[in-house]
Amino acid sequence: GNSVTQMEGPVTLSEEAFLTINCTYTATGYPSLFWYVQYPGEGLQLLLKATKADDKGSNKGFEATYRKETTSFHLEKGSVQVSDSAVYFCALIFLNTGNQFYFGTGTSLTVIP
Amino acid sequence: DAGVTQSPTHLIKTRGQQVTLRCSPKSGHDTVSWYQQALGQGPQFIFQYYEEEERQRGNFPDRFSGHQYPNYSSELNVNALLLGDSALYLCASSLVPGSYEQYFGPGTRLTVT
Repeated sequence: GNSVTQMEGPVTLSEEAFLTINCTYTATGYPSLFWYVQYPGEGLQLLLKATKADDKGSNKGFEATYRKETTSFHLEKGSVQVSDSAVYFCALIFLNTGNQFYFGTGTSLTVIP
Repeated sequence: DAGVTQSPTHLIKTRGQQVTLRCSPKSGHDTVSWYQQALGQGPQFIFQYYEEEERQRGNFPDRFSGHQYPNYSSELNVNALLLGDSALYLCASSLVPGSYEQYFGPGTRLTVT
C-alpha cells in the first residue's frame, strides 16, 4: 500500500537553529511528494513539492529533495524563525490519478525566541 | 479571490445524530475532495466529487456521503454519528480531478458527544 512516515514531534528549536524533519514513504508506483504546513486555526497550505526523483522543492527557505533510493523527502531549513511554528505534513500523490493525498501524521514545530 | 470556504467552523452533535458540512471551492475550481483529520493525525481521504458525481472514495463507511451542486459547491453528510467521528473535516478544491494542486479550506471542527 501507500503510506508516509514522519518523525514524531513535537520539535522545539531556538530561533536561527537548523531544522530537519524526516519523511519516508512507501508507494506502489512513482509518486509526487509534498510538504504542507498547517498554522493554528488554518487549513493546510502547500509549502513545496517535487514531482520526480532527484527534484528539489524549495520555498520560504525550506528545502526537500526527492530521494528515490532511500524513499525519503526530508524537510530542511537553515535558520528557523518564530513564525515557522506550525505543524508540518509530508504527503504523496500519484500524478496519473491525482485523486487523493496520503499524508503523514504531522510534526509539530515550535520555535522559541 | 476567495479561497476555499467551509461552514460551519465548529459544531457539536450527539451520538446517533446526522450532520451536514458545507464547502465552497476556490473560484474556477470544479473538483472537491473531503478529508478527515483526527486529533494528532494526518488528513485521511474520504472522497472526491467532480461533475456532481463521486469519483473516488477512501476507506470510509457508507455513513459518509456527499453531494456536489452545479455551482461546484459540495456537502459532506455523516449519518449515525459515532464518538470516533469527532475530527477536523477539511475540504480541498482543484481545477481538475487529476491535479495535485489542491487548495484546502480551514476545516470544520466536529465534536460528537
